[in-house]
Amino acid sequence: DIVVTQSPDSLAVSLGETATINCKSSQSVLYSSNNKNYLTWYQQKPGQPPKLLIYWASTRESGVPDRFSGSGSGTDFTLTISSLQAEDVAVYYCQQYYTTPTFGQGTKVEIK
Amino acid sequence: EVQLLASGGNLVQPGGSLRLSCAASGFTFSSYAMNWVRQAAGKGLEWVSTISGGGSGTYYADSVKGRFTISRDNSKNTLYLQMNSLRAEDTALYFCAKNRDSGRWNLPFDYWGQGTLVTVSS
Repeated sequence: DIVVTQSPDSLAVSLGETATINCKSSQSVLYSSNNKNYLTWYQQKPGQPPKLLIYWASTRESGVPDRFSGSGSGTDFTLTISSLQAEDVAVYYCQQYYTTPTFGQGTKVEIK
Repeated sequence: EVQLLASGGNLVQPGGSLRLSCAASGFTFSSYAMNWVRQAAGKGLEWVSTISGGGSGTYYADSVKGRFTISRDNSKNTLYLQMNSLRAEDTALYFCAKNRDSGRWNLPFDYWGQGTLVTVSS
């Protein structure tokens, strides 16, 4: 199985500042035939199911604010939350779907 | 509007069985692979199983292979998870989730149900 590791486990960011979450996979999730990275990001707020934010590593899901952006390729990926808002407090998970899906351990984002 | 309503969670003894259901509406159910993902209290997400739209393709996490069976009834727009030989470590909130696009089985999950709680304890 592909192991997905996120860093940091938690971070506290001031309102209006930028939060950066990293995700590393144990092997490349870039599929050569279509040049797509099989990597997605979810946001989970307390008591709620996860919400899809980003797929194909950098494609924002419809309705997701443009302060959320994804980048990276191969084995190293980043979720960036620009101008952090109070409603962005949540746990964020990356997940690879190149093979049977595996999730990162999650990163808790709080307000400083 | 897409809706996924999971049910069937309960308290069960170790070694027991349980069947979870997920009633789907708001989309052409048979066109999409469906998934089960679980989350133990205070822990992260763990993918459990996926079934293709037609039901012929099934995929399982190693942790449940041989004990859990995923299935679907496209005439009833319902997804199932038969859970046998349950262990304490299977205790979790079980979410059903829909693939974002039709076709491939390995895709992101765009809609999730609220989950149903399975507790395995004597």
